[in-house]
Amino acid sequence: EPEVTQTPSHQVTQMGQEVILRCVPISNHLYFYWYRQILGQKVEFLVSFYNNEISEKSEIFDDQFSVERPDGSNFTLKIRSTKLEDSAMYFCASSDWGSGGLNEKLFFGSGTQLSVL
Amino acid sequence: DQQVKQNSPSLSVQEGRISILNCDYTNSMFDYFLWYKKYPAEGPTFLISISSIKDKNEDGRFTVFLNKSAKHLSLHIVPSQPGDSAVYFCAASAYNGNQFYFGTGTSLTVIP
Repeated sequence: EPEVTQTPSHQVTQMGQEVILRCVPISNHLYFYWYRQILGQKVEFLVSFYNNEISEKSEIFDDQFSVERPDGSNFTLKIRSTKLEDSAMYFCASSDWGSGGLNEKLFFGSGTQLSVL
Repeated sequence: DQQVKQNSPSLSVQEGRISILNCDYTNSMFDYFLWYKKYPAEGPTFLISISSIKDKNEDGRFTVFLNKSAKHLSLHIVPSQPGDSAVYFCAASAYNGNQFYFGTGTSLTVIP
């Protein structure tokens, strides 16, 4: 079964450093997402991406965050200057949205645990 | 703004009995609902979904019920098995959007 892959599984960084989280969505999907979950809290939407541009973003997704699809397979989340409160599990997802019927759902990667020290 | 709420952070059920996980939502524009299961150190995996045109959807041991007037849905697992022990997330989306809103999750423990 096709799956979303994320690298690295764990990332430790110093406050103020830049990090790039990488994802390879399912190949025929068109919508890509980043979500995060701070320990003990809800899964929070960050951003959705379609047709090489951001389609929706949340209040969390401020100027410190950016996303990119540098080639036909990778989808990255960059945090320019990490803060302590950015520590969370970051999930990439892709969707078969637009296929019609009841088949729209998100397929998640296994996540990147980001720890900002 | 918590548009999808799961008010029970945890639930324990005896093996073989029914597990009922509840979810409430506030946005009347939501018309598609999903349940995801998450094991530790893994990403959420899709379990079952329901459209607002239906009030019940069944898949094996899993059944989702939707009460639109109450803005409430529930996931029934019967019979519950130890392998069902995981965190269950309810999610919702609206027809005119492509964003899924998640609840905070309910941790289910099925006791052998």
